[in-house]
Amino acid sequence: AQKVTQAQTEISVVEKEDVTLDCVYETRDTTYYLFWYKQPPSGELVFLIRRNSFDEQNEISGRYSWNFQKSTSSFNFTITASQVVDSAVYFCALSEEGSGGSNYKLTFGKGTLLTVNP
Amino acid sequence: EAQVTQNPRYLITVTGKKLTVTCSQNMNHEYMSWYRQDPGLGLRQIYYSMNVEVTDKGDVPEGYKVSRKEKRNFPLILESPSPNQTSLYFCASSLLAGYNEQFFGPGTRLTVL
Repeated sequence: AQKVTQAQTEISVVEKEDVTLDCVYETRDTTYYLFWYKQPPSGELVFLIRRNSFDEQNEISGRYSWNFQKSTSSFNFTITASQVVDSAVYFCALSEEGSGGSNYKLTFGKGTLLTVNP
Repeated sequence: EAQVTQNPRYLITVTGKKLTVTCSQNMNHEYMSWYRQDPGLGLRQIYYSMNVEVTDKGDVPEGYKVSRKEKRNFPLILESPSPNQTSLYFCASSLLAGYNEQFFGPGTRLTVL
């Protein structure tokens, strides 16, 4: 079973629409960390946000907001009033302890390609 | 400038010819990792290293080797490359494992013929 599921493979919106990217994760650890990364067409990977398992506060940063709900194992990402520059692949990722006990593995979802059309 | 560098950025090679992709970071990070990115599969972790001389397998380690003799360097070695290792490879580093965000290199596009 996938540890990080991004069910939306591709999303296409028109500029100024709001869009939510879904992320569902699976872990048995009580301490874990969740991340979102952005990969624009130029190819680099850019860190957007981090959340630890003990902090369920939602966060807003400009047009971006994140909704972390442990009860549903979800960490969704919303872009308000989308812009063409938001077009990218967005990855959700989970960091949890590996088999070594203190080692941490990072597992990425398969990504969601967001296209914002003018 | 704080960065992760990878070399080469592009490589075309033939089956069986050993190659090394270098990765270096100048941020004194303890944690380093290699990923491959394939269409429809996202990013998959190949190997990671918690610190010097400490490495561990990720989700897709077969066909790859790594070493961490110095804190700043984490080369990826393909002893006998095969066409199914054609992919886009990213090296990443973070201050520590777990909590800290990863900084990614620019990527290496490898084609094995």
